[in-house]
Amino acid sequence: GNSVTQMEGPVTLSEEAFLTINCTYTATGYPSLFWYVQYPGEGLQLLLKATKADDKGSNKGFEATYRKETTSFHLEKGSVQVSDSAVYFCALSPPGAGSYQLTFGKGTKLSVIP
Amino acid sequence: GAVVSQHPSWVICKSGTSVKIECRSLDFQATTMFWYRQFPKQSLMLMATSNEGSKATYEQGVEKDKFLINHASLTLSTLTVTSAHPEDSSFYICSASVRGATKQYFGPGTRLTVL
Repeated sequence: GNSVTQMEGPVTLSEEAFLTINCTYTATGYPSLFWYVQYPGEGLQLLLKATKADDKGSNKGFEATYRKETTSFHLEKGSVQVSDSAVYFCALSPPGAGSYQLTFGKGTKLSVIP
Repeated sequence: GAVVSQHPSWVICKSGTSVKIECRSLDFQATTMFWYRQFPKQSLMLMATSNEGSKATYEQGVEKDKFLINHASLTLSTLTVTSAHPEDSSFYICSASVRGATKQYFGPGTRLTVL
């Protein structure tokens, strides 16, 4: 079956540091890949997505590239801010399912300190 | 737009009692709602999918008689945990979607603690 593995947290960074949160997946075919973010007290929000190999999703300074050869979708940001403190979830869905039938990773809590 | 709320945000109850959690779509009509459960340091696991006016479809291993789901209107779904036990303590998250769309909008979650 499908599965998503993301790095364990929590991750604590200083403001303006470089962020990488690793995510690898197991799935058949070409799933769609997502990063969701959950700010304190709020619901999960779609941060970015990619639907085919070599696609790069980007939003709010965050980027992730769909790497079929390494089955990875690592999240990166060049300079984090305190406001980026949140829990980040990597997820996948089967081809054509959009964001239905989501399989999530365990989430990685990021804390950014001034 | 596309805001989903949950009530309560947290609840503590005694073992053997039942607890109802509400999920509302505030500014759109949700034809489909999903219920997830997340144990500490674990992934969100889909429990069930409900379409307005129909019976919910439960994922394998989820007891439908224990986790009662009602989706009686296009803006409200409820999850009732019946005869709750400490092992039911978890974070319950709902999401909502519109017919024909493949995007889910998530609620903020409800923390259930069963003593």
